[in-house]
Amino acid sequence: ETGVTQSPTHLIKTRGQQVTLRCSSQSGHNTVSWYQQALGQGPQFIFQYYREEENGRGNFPPRFSGLQFPNYSSELNVNALELDDSALYLCASSLGQVEQRTYEQYFGPGTRLTVT
Amino acid sequence: QKEVEQNSGPLSVPEGAIASLNCTYSDRGSQSFFWYRQYSGKSPELIMSIYSNGDKEDGRFTAQLNKASQYVSLLIRDSQPSDSATYLCAVNNPGGFKTIFGAGTRLFVKA
Repeated sequence: ETGVTQSPTHLIKTRGQQVTLRCSSQSGHNTVSWYQQALGQGPQFIFQYYREEENGRGNFPPRFSGLQFPNYSSELNVNALELDDSALYLCASSLGQVEQRTYEQYFGPGTRLTVT
Repeated sequence: QKEVEQNSGPLSVPEGAIASLNCTYSDRGSQSFFWYRQYSGKSPELIMSIYSNGDKEDGRFTAQLNKASQYVSLLIRDSQPSDSATYLCAVNNPGGFKTIFGAGTRLFVKA
């Protein structure tokens, strides 16, 4: 069974630039959620994709957008980067919404984004 | 009031002792509750899920849920230095699609 993978591992961008982060979900999982984790904080929910459609969104501005592909891999795009966007970005996959157990999420290793 | 609250710690316990981690949540309609462990510089790892009132045991870990009090806890028996990490409490919204994390409790187990 293949776990959740993310790329790149680290990224340095300049304020105002755009970035795309990628995630491959665990084998058999059809739901992907993205989180932003600042130092010393818990992960903050950005949005969730279920079967290629956005299924819910947290309190993040529209410059945070995403996609899910037919193979359930996913992208997180952030436009007009700000200094406060510097954080660890985590992707988590799960089985879906059939029953409660399917809400269990498994995280990838994360992408560390630094905005200068 | 934060949606999910945890004592930030650090909580320090001697090796072999029981570590008790606590969490409260604000949305009474929440149905799914999780504990994740996060080592420094790593991503969160799921260690327990609980959906019904009462206790759920898995090895050295016991999760406890009291929906009436909106309270979730994690007990770690026979604590080991390798248990030293940040423990994150997570709660799903009633619709299930949004997981809200607490800020985490740092645990130190002294050898």
